[in-house]
Parts: sequence; structure tokens; C-alpha cells
Amino acid sequence: DVKVTQSSRYLVKRTGEKVFLECVQDMDHENMFWYRQDPGLGLRLIYFSYDVKMKEKGDIPEGYSVSREKKERFSLILESASTNQTSMYLCASSLDQGIQETQYFGPGTRLLVL
Amino acid sequence: GQNIDQPTEMTATEGAIVQINCTYQTSGFNGLFWYQQHAGEAPTFLSYNVLDGLEEKGRFSSFLSRSKGYSYLLLKELQMKDSASYLCAVILGFQKLVFGTGTRLLVSP
Repeated sequence: DVKVTQSSRYLVKRTGEKVFLECVQDMDHENMFWYRQDPGLGLRLIYFSYDVKMKEKGDIPEGYSVSREKKERFSLILESASTNQTSMYLCASSLDQGIQETQYFGPGTRLLVL
Repeated sequence: GQNIDQPTEMTATEGAIVQINCTYQTSGFNGLFWYQQHAGEAPTFLSYNVLDGLEEKGRFSSFLSRSKGYSYLLLKELQMKDSASYLCAVILGFQKLVFGTGTRLLVSP
């Protein structure tokens, strides 16, 4: 069974703080993704990575950065958290074997920025 | 822009059949996923369609019509545990998914 874990289920931070969200997968997947999920907007892609040290911007990268130093770990960084970044953050991973590869999701981190 | 529409909420009774629709207008199409997401949990994969027609998997089936930009998820013999959100996602390009806003299904006894 694929397992994608995220470092925290709930997080409360203050405006201006630097925030790190960590994601680890245990199935040797090449691709990893960060989404945010907001009511009425669905899941939106922030960044993805198809290999170690490689990253690509998704649809809403502003205010975020990412780091992938090891294949199993993908970090999302909020350089200076703002209240409009309050959201549910979901990490996902997939094999690199075709366009239709299923993405496996972690349980999510609910971030509140005060 | 990409547009994927799903009803916001649906209700149904245990044992019944429910159909959740998804219509899409996207710049590309390489297939469509359905995911199930229970409250507070990770989305989990249900089905994948790339060719027109019906794919059946136990109590769940998914249908695709590419010419109409339309898909549906059919759930039979509803159980209480089927209460969840159902997410439709179009595969635009390599590993690039665009999600609908999800349909929250409430199953009552």
C-alpha cells in the first residue's frame, strides 16, 4: 500500500512567519505534488516535482516555494505566511510511468494563519 | 481557462442508486479521474476513464462521453459509508490534473 504522510494535521501560525510543510512517501515515486483545497474552489496545484531537485510551478505558486532534496520528501515553504494562505494543504505522489498514473494523497495539513 | 462543473451537494437514501455528474471544458483532455474524499481524510482513487463508455468496478461505475465533455459516477446499493465528497479531475497533460469543486453526498438511513 502506498503511504503518503504529512508532518502535521493541524497548524496555527502568525502572519509573517515562515512555515514549512513536510511530505514523505514510501513507494519510491518520482512525482510529488502540493495542492491546496478551499471550499468552492476545489484542489488547486501549487507546485510539483518530477525528480530530486527539480520543481515546476503549478497554477497558484505565488507566495510559496518548494524543496526536494531527497526522492521521498517534498517540502512546501510559505516564506511569509499571510491570512489568505489559511487552507487545507494536500500532498500527493505518483509513479512516472504514464499520463494516467494515479496520484496518491496524504491526509492533509489544515493551516490557520492568524 | 479550465472549467469543471459538479453539483455542490446531493442527498440519497441507503440502498438507492445515485448519479453524480461532471461536465468539463478544458484546453486538453487525456483522461478523467474520480476520487472519493471522506471528511478530514485524503482523497482516494475510484476510477479512471479515457475512452467513451462505462467502466464498472463493483458498486461503482463511471461513464465518459468525450464529445459531450461529460462524465458521471454511478453508485449503487448506497451505504452509509458512501457519505463523502466525490471529486472529478481532468488530466490535462503529463500528470497535470484539474479538479472540480467536488460533490458532497449525504446518505441517510
